[in-house]
Amino acid sequence: QVQLVESGGGVVQPGTSLRLSCAGSGFTFNNHGIHWVRQAPGKGLEWLAVISYNGNSKYYADSVKGRFTISRDNSKNTVYLQMYSLRAEDTAVYYCAKEWTNADDYFDYWGQGTLVTVSS
Amino acid sequence: DIQMTQSPSSLSASVGDRVTITCRASQGFNNYLAWYQQKPGKVPKVLISAASTLQSGVPSRFSGSGSGTDFTLTISSLQPEDVGTYYCQKYNSVPWTFGQGTKVELK
Repeated sequence: QVQLVESGGGVVQPGTSLRLSCAGSGFTFNNHGIHWVRQAPGKGLEWLAVISYNGNSKYYADSVKGRFTISRDNSKNTVYLQMYSLRAEDTAVYYCAKEWTNADDYFDYWGQGTLVTVSS
Repeated sequence: DIQMTQSPSSLSASVGDRVTITCRASQGFNNYLAWYQQKPGKVPKVLISAASTLQSGVPSRFSGSGSGTDFTLTISSLQPEDVGTYYCQKYNSVPWTFGQGTKVELK
């Protein structure tokens, strides 16, 4: 069955960096775009970034552009989100989600999320 | 960027009630509009894609409609297991914007 498993979350201080991972299984990983979405405590869903199936296209929300970098290693079935200069407002559960197809699609599967807490 | 605005932000309804949630886009776009359900403490789940296509396994009491700038999610007969927050999402182009969510509670 399709699985997406995020890891790498934790408690970090403001201004520091963190790298999240999203490991996929149960589907042809290199056929699907992967997104990162976050949800601050008690808040709604915020789309952050997408990487195309082959890694050639990457797009970001304005709120994280220049601070977050998305990448993927299809040999490891893993997508990464490198986060720099973290702020208190980056505190959230971070989800990765896969597109239904490889064509800029909606999300058919989500991971369980990993919590990032930015606090001094 | 296209902004997605949902209304209402929350609602309380009785079991068996018809519930309607609206999602309005700041400008018109093709019907690449999805609806997600997030139950308390759970991961979002897609209900509808392409504005009106019901996903496999989703109960038929859920339906989607609309085009251009105005989209609607309808629950024809609210059930206790439908409690949660519902999000619309524009996809197929950057950014994949979500609405702010509509919290559905039982009266």
